[in-house]
Amino acid sequence: DSGVTQTPKHLITATGQRVTLRCSPRSGDLSVYWYQQSLDQGLQFLIQYYNGEERAKGNILERFSAQQFPDLHSELNLSSLELGDSALYFCASSLLDREFNEQFFGPGTRLTVL
Amino acid sequence: AQSVTQLGSHVSVSEGALVLLRCNYSSSVPPYLFWYVQYPNQGLQLLLKYTSAATLVKGINGFEAEFKKSETSFHLTKPSAHMSDAAEYFCAVSSSGGSYIPTFGRGTSLIVHP
Repeated sequence: DSGVTQTPKHLITATGQRVTLRCSPRSGDLSVYWYQQSLDQGLQFLIQYYNGEERAKGNILERFSAQQFPDLHSELNLSSLELGDSALYFCASSLLDREFNEQFFGPGTRLTVL
Repeated sequence: AQSVTQLGSHVSVSEGALVLLRCNYSSSVPPYLFWYVQYPNQGLQLLLKYTSAATLVKGINGFEAEFKKSETSFHLTKPSAHMSDAAEYFCAVSSSGGSYIPTFGRGTSLIVHP
């Protein structure tokens, strides 16, 4: 158990819909990262928050947005969903936002868009 | 820019045989290197990391990796494979002065035959 929790575990929805994925980081960790994992793209970094502020952006679509709340939990919002958005979405946390910090991954949310 | 190449999307070994998973990196500044393992239906977890303290890094579950600057490699090895080692393995690189967000390789699936 990494200490990172993600809800829901599975999500099935239709194209055009909007969903929210939730992540609670490990106790004490200030940094939260969101990743998308798919068979064709591998593990893609989406966005990072550090202590409530957006710190880095990766390959995140404009239809996607995220935020980190004062209690440090984070939410990833996916809107106008397309079939290609079906993937495993991971949240990870680390103590700080330094290059030598290991990341602790949650169990993921499997999103299926029909 | 930094990048990681994992040679071989699948590696198959017999139980008790040597495990060798290859990782080559590209970084314009001294790198920090990580190996993560992902068991089925789980998130990634850290196996080991290189932070310039020692070139031979020992991790959990009997795995180790050697940093070779001249070859820009960080291959993962284990002397004797166990059935429980069957999983997906990811190499990642981050760097100070560059992107501290780790860049992950595409992953190598380790298959262990009885």
